[in-house]
Amino acid sequence: GAVVSQHPSRVICKSGTSVKIECRSLDFQATTMFWYRQFPKKSLMLMATSNEGSKATYEQGVEKDKFLINHASLTLSTLTVTSAHPEDSSFYICSASGDYQETQYFGPGTRLLVL
Amino acid sequence: SQQGEEDPQALSIQEGENATMNCSYKTSINNLQWYRQNSGRGLVHLILIRSNEREKHSGRLRVTLDTSKKSSSLLITASRAADTASYFCATDANSGYSTLTFGKGTMLLVSP
Repeated sequence: GAVVSQHPSRVICKSGTSVKIECRSLDFQATTMFWYRQFPKKSLMLMATSNEGSKATYEQGVEKDKFLINHASLTLSTLTVTSAHPEDSSFYICSASGDYQETQYFGPGTRLLVL
Repeated sequence: SQQGEEDPQALSIQEGENATMNCSYKTSINNLQWYRQNSGRGLVHLILIRSNEREKHSGRLRVTLDTSKKSSSLLITASRAADTASYFCATDANSGYSTLTFGKGTMLLVSP
């Protein structure tokens, strides 16, 4: 099946710094990439949807200036958590989907801990 | 907002037993998907069932869909300890491209 990778898998940073998370589709062209956030023992909450070459569509309640998403190519999307605070600590998961694909392929997730 | 609601929230069974998880949703859907997540890991796609399908099988998995009741069930037969994970249903209301809304999940524990 299709493979999606995320990097880094874990990151610990100080409050106030910015953190970039990469999401790559390794063997298919991902016209659409999704970013989810998951709190411990909770479900996934969609943060934003990004289509290659266009601005991301953010879900209600998600700060655009806080969570910067770039989808510059058909195989790479990045999520930058700017000026991270402890409440941003979470598990961030990306997924990717090709043209008219019903299935999203999920990355392994990135655990962010902000001290 | 959450679309799917799984129940039970947690399920504990012995190896060899069957595990049944249910999912209810609120709006019309194009398809419903079940995913599995091991602790602290990404999601693995298990099975997709379209709105015009009633039942689907994949190995030890059996999924049913009742669109009149807006509900689905996932049955894992002859469970194994390795099946221990969280299971999520996700609904896709769109056709042509995927937009998933996840339920809260069922945490399944299979004891040897």
